[in-house]
Amino acid sequence: AQRVTQPEKLLSVFKGAPVELKCNYSYSGSPELFWYVQYSRQRLQLLLRHISRESIKGFTADLNKGETSFHLKKPFAQEEDSAMYYCALKGGTSYGKLTFGQGTILTVHP
Amino acid sequence: DTEVTQTPKHLVMGMTNKKSLKCEQHMGHRAMYWYKQKAKKPPELMFVYSYEKLSINESVPSRFSPECPNSSLLNLHLHALQPEDSALYLCASSQASGRGARDEQFFGPGTRLTVL
Repeated sequence: AQRVTQPEKLLSVFKGAPVELKCNYSYSGSPELFWYVQYSRQRLQLLLRHISRESIKGFTADLNKGETSFHLKKPFAQEEDSAMYYCALKGGTSYGKLTFGQGTILTVHP
Repeated sequence: DTEVTQTPKHLVMGMTNKKSLKCEQHMGHRAMYWYKQKAKKPPELMFVYSYEKLSINESVPSRFSPECPNSSLLNLHLHALQPEDSALYLCASSQASGRGARDEQFFGPGTRLTVL
């Protein structure tokens, strides 16, 4: 079975502070991990994926297979980063299946 | 056109009604998905179509009936729903449903369904 855990439902930081959204997963094979973001009144959209190893809007995430984690980080948070963030996993033979974590609402205060 | 569109935006129906949700994309994607999202919860996969064939059914009750008439369209037919089926129904599409860069899922804005 595949499972994604995001331990924080809510996360608040001030503008300019570093932010880290935690994601842990449970999967026996080689997973693909993603971060999706949903801004207020907008559709769910892909933020980044571990195989791309890229930085999007200043966010990065590194897959740590030893700790089964895929934490999302940004060194200097901006107010426009306020949104719902979902960590998601794809794996197994059912490649179409994305399993989402419960989500973390990030609020960046001015 | 680089968006997934869904109609209607809102739908209110009684438990004896029959209605349909529609999803459309013109990005040439060959995989399409239906998700159900309850308030303040993550999306839950319901169905996956790959090359117009149903490839995943996540044990969804038969009162939900998906249909993929062609590669651009995905329908979800609703019949005899229960109030607990009220939710946001999301459609998504991707180039393919396998592994790798072609399988990024693009989501539609959703249809907010209320069952009375």
